[in-house]
Amino acid sequence: DTAVSQTPKYLVTQMGNDKSIKCEQNLGHDTMYWYKQDSKKFLKIMFSYNNKELIINETVPNRFSPKSPDKAHLNLHINSLELGDSAVYFCASSLSGGRGSSTDTQYFGPGTRLTVL
Amino acid sequence: AQSVTQLGSHVSVSEGALVLLRCNYSSSVPPYLFWYVQYPNQGLQLLLKYTTGATLVKGINGFEAEFKKSETSFHLTKPSAHMSDAAEYFCAVSAAGGFKTIFGAGTRLFVKA
Repeated sequence: DTAVSQTPKYLVTQMGNDKSIKCEQNLGHDTMYWYKQDSKKFLKIMFSYNNKELIINETVPNRFSPKSPDKAHLNLHINSLELGDSAVYFCASSLSGGRGSSTDTQYFGPGTRLTVL
Repeated sequence: AQSVTQLGSHVSVSEGALVLLRCNYSSSVPPYLFWYVQYPNQGLQLLLKYTTGATLVKGINGFEAEFKKSETSFHLTKPSAHMSDAAEYFCAVSAAGGFKTIFGAGTRLFVKA
């Protein structure tokens, strides 16, 4: 009964490859997020979708492309992987009725540890 | 613009001692404040949050935090540390009308037996 799930948990790949990380939430939430956590544990938002609509797009290289096929899924595709992309990527979701609510609790997935060699 | 500063990247306490993790924020509008905890190899989970109303907020696992507007602080406390409290703690801020939550750099709590 995992609320927010991510696959895969670990991803090891070579520079230049293209990879995807999948995220699914079964909480019925309207808003989903992708965060990047670097080796120093700093957590930075990358993208946010509300009802399949992109609402936050931080300064992220356009090699990163989120895709939300429906409200329950937000996948992250990364082209031409670079060494600096190595990090833990977290998916999260929040209830966000309407255009979003800043008081909402965010529910995080377990993370995907990406290692680029 | 909003920002969060967590004082101390590492805090070490003895089991049974008081836990105090410091968080100061900056916000041009009334803030909403959160504390999340991250156990090793896991995602973050909410400990507590302040939105409006009572400034002393109680959370899970015996933690509480007090919103002090005059000091722009939202420090996290627990009267008696337990070994299971060892984790990374993140303070975060957001505000009405926005969708972006800004996280602090995190404070790693160590609990000594």
